[in-house]
Amino acid sequence: DAGVTQSPTHLIKTRGQQVTLRCSPKSGHDTVSWYQQALGQGPQFIFQYYEEEERQRGNFPDRFSGHQFPNYSSELNVNALLLGDSALYLCASSFWITDSGEQYFGPGTRLTVT
Amino acid sequence: AQSVTQPDIHITVSEGASLELRCNYSYGATPYLFWYVQSPGQGLQLLLKYFSGDTLVQGIKGFEAEFKRSQSSFNLRKPSVHWSDAAEYFCAVKAAGNKLTFGGGTRVLVKP
Repeated sequence: DAGVTQSPTHLIKTRGQQVTLRCSPKSGHDTVSWYQQALGQGPQFIFQYYEEEERQRGNFPDRFSGHQFPNYSSELNVNALLLGDSALYLCASSFWITDSGEQYFGPGTRLTVT
Repeated sequence: AQSVTQPDIHITVSEGASLELRCNYSYGATPYLFWYVQSPGQGLQLLLKYFSGDTLVQGIKGFEAEFKRSQSSFNLRKPSVHWSDAAEYFCAVKAAGNKLTFGGGTRVLVKP
């Protein structure tokens, strides 16, 4: 049973560019959440998707957007990249119906903006 | 708004010694609480969770945590640390909806 998978593992982009990160949830999970983890800090919630809709959003600008597909996989898009967007981006999956907050995390995508 | 504080940024412990990591939370309702571990360059692995019931919860890798409502704490413990326990540990609380709010983490170093 595959856990949460993310691609790519590492990414280097230039300021002003756009980036797309991808996530496949753990088998059977229907909800995907994205988190940003800056160096030396705890993860910060970006947003959460269920039934292909954004259900909850953290304190991130509109440059951060996402999508969920019918197979529950998800993308995170970041436009007009800033140096401060350099971070580890973590995807987490869960069951919507349990509402317990129990989430399983992928290995993350390390984004470096130069 | 909910928040999580992990007062200790770094802890160094000798192999075989006991370990306790502190976590204090702020949340108006009954909290759902979690401890995660992150090895260098890796994602987060769930160690244990508290939803309700027995305030002492057991997790994987020999870890346990105790929920104390009166102190708004959820401290993580392990009786005897192994070198492989060197990692960063995060405490989290489930907020409204299904998002997690994390503390800043505690980095554990294990001395041989």
